[in-house]
Amino acid sequence: DAGVTQSPTHLIKTRGQQVTLRCSPKSGHDTVSWYQQALGQGPQFIFQYYEEEERQRGNFPDRFSGHQFPNYSSELNVNALLLGDSALYLCASSFDPGETQYFGPGTRLLVL
Amino acid sequence: AQSVAQPEDQVNVAEGNPLTVKCTYSVSGNPYLFWYVQYPNRGLQFLLKYITGDNLVKGSYGFEAEFNKSQTSFHLKKPSALVSDSALYFCACRPPGAGSYQLTFGKGTKLSVIP
Repeated sequence: DAGVTQSPTHLIKTRGQQVTLRCSPKSGHDTVSWYQQALGQGPQFIFQYYEEEERQRGNFPDRFSGHQFPNYSSELNVNALLLGDSALYLCASSFDPGETQYFGPGTRLLVL
Repeated sequence: AQSVAQPEDQVNVAEGNPLTVKCTYSVSGNPYLFWYVQYPNRGLQFLLKYITGDNLVKGSYGFEAEFNKSQTSFHLKKPSALVSDSALYFCACRPPGAGSYQLTFGKGTKLSVIP
């Protein structure tokens, strides 16, 4: 049984560019949440998707957007990248919005 | 707003000794509490959770945690540490009930188990 998978594993972008990160949830899970983990910090909640809609959002600007597909996979898009967007981006899935979240390995984004 | 504090950036313990990683929280009502572990270059791995019931929760790999409502704490414990337990540990919380499912994490505690 595959766990949560994310792609790519690493990414290097320059300021002002746009990036798309991808996540496939654990089998049987229908809810996907995204977190940003800066170096030396705990993860911070970006948003959660359920039934293809953004259900809840953390304190992140509109430059951060997402999408959930009918197969429950999800994308995180970040526009107009800033140096401060450099972080590990974690995807977590659960079989219901309120259930335990299981995390993928993350995508490490470096903005130069 | 909810918050989680992990007062120790690093904990060092000798192999075979008991370990404790501390966590305190601030959430309205009775919180849902979680512990996750992160190994280098890996995502977070779920260890255990407290929702309701017995204050002592048992989880994966011999870890357990004790919920103390009066002290608003949820400390992670293990009776006998292994070198392989060396990792970064995160405590997290979310409000009870429906409507708000985001996890709020502490800054993490680095556990080093010395052979």
